[in-house]
Order: sequence, then C-alpha cells, then structure tokens
Amino acid sequence: GAVVSQHPSRVICKSGTSVKIECRSLDFQATTMFWYRQFPKQSLMLMATSNEGSKATYEQGVEKDKFLINHASLTLSTLTVTSAHPEDSSFYICSVLTGGGGNTIYFGEGSWLTVV
Amino acid sequence: LAKTTQPISMDSYEGQEVNITCSHNNIATNDYITWYQQFPSQGPRFIIQGYKTKVTNEVASLFIPADRKSSTLSLPRVSLSDTAVYYCLVGDIQTGANNLFFGTGTRLTVIP
Repeated sequence: GAVVSQHPSRVICKSGTSVKIECRSLDFQATTMFWYRQFPKQSLMLMATSNEGSKATYEQGVEKDKFLINHASLTLSTLTVTSAHPEDSSFYICSVLTGGGGNTIYFGEGSWLTVV
Repeated sequence: LAKTTQPISMDSYEGQEVNITCSHNNIATNDYITWYQQFPSQGPRFIIQGYKTKVTNEVASLFIPADRKSSTLSLPRVSLSDTAVYYCLVGDIQTGANNLFFGTGTRLTVIP
C-alpha cells in the first residue's frame, strides 16, 4: 500500500498561534488527500478533501478560514490550524486516495496537537 | 450516504477466531467495503477491501452476502496484539471523500 508520512507527530502551541501539519505521500502521487480529526475515544471525523492544484472541499461545520489546507504538489498537503484554541487540541490524520482499479485509502501516522 | 453500524465492543480469548459484522443497509452500487485497524495514537491501517462475495488475504477474510447490506471481517486465531479498534468504511472511493465517513468502530479486546 501507499506510504503516508505526517510531520510533526506531536506539537504543542500557545493559544492564538498557528501551527502547520504536513502530510506527504512518499511513494505515490496523490491527486486527492483527506484530512480527519479524532478526539480521544471517538471515531475519525472527516474535515476536508484536499485536491492537488485546487481549493479544498470542506465538510459542513468545518471552518475553512481556520483550517487552511494547501495541496500544492502531488506528494504534499498541509493543514494549518490558525489562531489555535485549546478546543482545537486533537489528533489530526491525513490520508491519500490511490487510484488505478483497486482504489483505497491509506492513512498517515497522525499528528497530536495540543494547544495550551 | 452509506452509514455503517458496528458493535461498540467485543472481547475474545487468544487463539479464537473473531468475526465482526458491519451493517450498511444503504450501500450504493458503486460502493466498496474497506476495513481498517487502529491502535491508540496511530492512523488507521488498511486490512482488507471487497465489493462482493469473499475476499481473503494474509491477515483476514471479508465475507459479503449477495445483497451487500452487511459485511463480516474474520480474524483467524487472534493474539493480544490484535487488540484495537476496527472500522468498517463504505463508500464510492472513485468519487472522493463525500461518502467516506467512519462509523463508531468496534473495540476488540483480546484476553490472554
């Protein structure tokens, strides 16, 4: 399957600052990547679909101005949490959609964000 | 939107076969069924994917009845390291993320 890497794996930031999380597809050119958020003991919640070269598509209830997504190349998508607040503390996970007949989705290792 | 329903939790002894069933009554013609395993503080790991009938790989089997309204993940002879949350994901992965929502998952606990 596809290898997906996220960086950083853990980050702590102060309230009001911005933090960027990178998602890299190491062995596959991904035109489509997804960003999920997961709170402790809960399931994954889809935040947005990141399309290479175009604007991301956000799910209902997700603020696009707060969670900035950039997918500038076929191997990199970034999620920037702007003006972070403690309630944004969560586990953020990206994934890539592979193509070519056996479409499936592979996930990164996840990034823990703690806002203090 | 093909929503899924799974048991919240299951317990099993080591060495037993575990079957986890997922209901997806509204599955669409183009939807595939994919199962993932997630350990704490890690991203979900792909286990198996199918469209109909039976699929088997080196770690699991997936049984899908003819009406495709449910599917069963079968884990042969589980070990303690199989303790994790298992998610069933149903969606048309050709069209993107609109249908790719996770359900509650099943928390499997393997007991020595």
